[in-house]
Amino acid sequence: GENVEQHPSTLSVQEGDSAVIKCTYSDSASNYFPWYKQELGKRPQLIIDIRSNVGEKKDQRIAVTLNKTAKHFSLHITETQPEDSAVYFCAASIGNYGQNFVFGPGTRLSVLP
Amino acid sequence: GAVVSQHPSWVICKSGTSVKIECRSLDFQATTMFWYRQFPKQSLMLMATSNEGSKATYEQGVEKDKFLINHASLTLSTLTVTSAHPEDSSFYICSARGAGQPQHFGDGTRLSIL
Repeated sequence: GENVEQHPSTLSVQEGDSAVIKCTYSDSASNYFPWYKQELGKRPQLIIDIRSNVGEKKDQRIAVTLNKTAKHFSLHITETQPEDSAVYFCAASIGNYGQNFVFGPGTRLSVLP
Repeated sequence: GAVVSQHPSWVICKSGTSVKIECRSLDFQATTMFWYRQFPKQSLMLMATSNEGSKATYEQGVEKDKFLINHASLTLSTLTVTSAHPEDSSFYICSARGAGQPQHFGDGTRLSIL
């Protein structure tokens, strides 16, 4: 089955700096890769997603890149703000918007003022 | 946007009690619903997938008789934790998706078994 790894597990950056979180997946059939942001005790919220036919996608300060050959994808957050502090999960799945998600272990991002 | 409602948000009960958690899609028809469990500081682990009108598909290691899932309509799925014990204490989150839509998560249910 699919296995998703995520690094780093914790990340601290100064406000205004960029943050990068990397994930790898094992199943070459996976074709949908969402990123979720989860604040403590709350629901995961989809912040950006990418499909395997696209190499990069950007939405304001957030971007995701995908290297299908190497089976890894990354989340880039620029001009970080304190409200970006949360746990971020990557996921991999198969299907238009994913049948079953396999989540990475998460990255706790702290943006220091 | 798509809204998924999960109820209750927090349950505290005695060991041996059965607890039912509801997951509703409020403004779309959820052809598929997913149930996840999340232990503190850990990732979301898929427990089971349910399609409306059919039996749920459980992930390896998840006991079907302990975690009863019913998806009787296109807007409601329930998870019943039977004879709950302290080790079942966790954050349970459902998600729902309609045809051609991404998954939308509920707010989660914090289950504490004393």
